[in-house]
Amino acid sequence: DAKTTQPTSMDCAEGRAANLPCNHSTISGNEYVYWYRQIHSQGPQYIIHGLKNNETNEMASLIITEDRKSSTLILPHATLRDTAVYYCIVRELNGGSNYKLTFGKGTLLTVNP
Amino acid sequence: DSGVTQTPKHLITATGQRVTLRCSPRSGDLSVYWYQQSLDQGLQFLIQYYNGEERAKGNILERFSAQQFPDLHSELNLSSLELGDSALYFCASSGAGARKNIQYFGAGTRLSVL
Repeated sequence: DAKTTQPTSMDCAEGRAANLPCNHSTISGNEYVYWYRQIHSQGPQYIIHGLKNNETNEMASLIITEDRKSSTLILPHATLRDTAVYYCIVRELNGGSNYKLTFGKGTLLTVNP
Repeated sequence: DSGVTQTPKHLITATGQRVTLRCSPRSGDLSVYWYQQSLDQGLQFLIQYYNGEERAKGNILERFSAQQFPDLHSELNLSSLELGDSALYFCASSGAGARKNIQYFGAGTRLSVL
């Protein structure tokens, strides 16, 4: 079962920052937080991941609370093409190449003109 | 473009039939994963292969099987198809080093069982 809780849906105005929250209160010390998104039946797209430090890449920023029980994905300037279902996933690090991603229901982010 | 190629894009078949879905991973990626996405179940992990060997199994039915070939491409075989097998099937791959912990997904195969 998914170990995360996300709002079902959110709206954001085009050009504004989109802040997508995720609760993962049962996360353990060796588990990473991953974010993927899926645009209308396309393949899921990797966005970002982190363990405990905040992370930033060309797509987004990931803010993880100090206790690691929650995180926020930030899209700094949302565009209409960012409308998608965003999945927050907790993934166990096992040091090898043997893992799976457990997708929950995600958050449908709708970016409005 | 993720670099993961899935064929065919669409597949329409009848109940009781057998189909094969194909996946070519990103260049150099040794791991291949298969996922099923149906309207009522969401994205479900089916199975993982690493360098030709099965590594992990998820909610894969006994009517389904997969394999990974020496050239690292993978095939998912679905047999005795039922209406409920209609879904999107995604393949993902992950690699070594810095790319080891990121799965990149293909565009999927949409299977319609009539």
